[in-house]
Amino acid sequence: EVQLVESGGGLVQPGGSLRLSCAASGFAISSYWMSWVRQAPGKGLEWVANIKQDGSEKYCLDSVKGRCTISRDNAKNSLYLQMNSLRLEDTAVYYCARNRVAPPDFWGQGTLVTVSS
Amino acid sequence: DIQMTQSPSTLSASVGDRVTITCRASQSISSWLAWYQQKPGKAPKLLIYKASSLESGVPSRFSGSGSGTEFTLTISSLQPDDFATYYCQQYHSYPWTFGQGTKVEIK
Repeated sequence: EVQLVESGGGLVQPGGSLRLSCAASGFAISSYWMSWVRQAPGKGLEWVANIKQDGSEKYCLDSVKGRCTISRDNAKNSLYLQMNSLRLEDTAVYYCARNRVAPPDFWGQGTLVTVSS
Repeated sequence: DIQMTQSPSTLSASVGDRVTITCRASQSISSWLAWYQQKPGKAPKLLIYKASSLESGVPSRFSGSGSGTEFTLTISSLQPDDFATYYCQQYHSYPWTFGQGTKVEIK
């Protein structure tokens, strides 16, 4: 069974940092581009970052560029998102997703990041 | 950035109705458009990719059309399980962007 399980979310103060993890099972992430997409409470979806199969290409949303690092460990079948200098507007559920045909075709259940003092 | 605009924002319909949702891109995205369904507290589910290709396992009552800047998602006969929020997404260029969503409610 294909699964993506995110972890690492929680309450963090403005200016703080978080490292989100996404553990995949049922498939090898080494064959896929992977993504992070977030959704603020009660709001729509916002793409955050993409990473190529071998990690050689990475793309981040401008509003988080310089504050986000997407990475992967294909040996551990895991995806990561490091977010620094967190702002109130970064509060959201963060989903990791697999890109089979380019748009994300399979998503995890998400992990909630709350930025608050 | 490419802006994606969906209409309507909310749609009230009955079981069995034919439903159409429109998505407009601020510039041409060829056919690089996806549609997702999301239910409360759940992750989005891919329905359509490349504007009109039906994702495996998705019922055939869902269909997509369009190219360039105008796209539609059609549900031919609305079923109880279809009441949800629908999003379009362009993946023509970075940053990937989503429409604001269309909530399909029970009439």
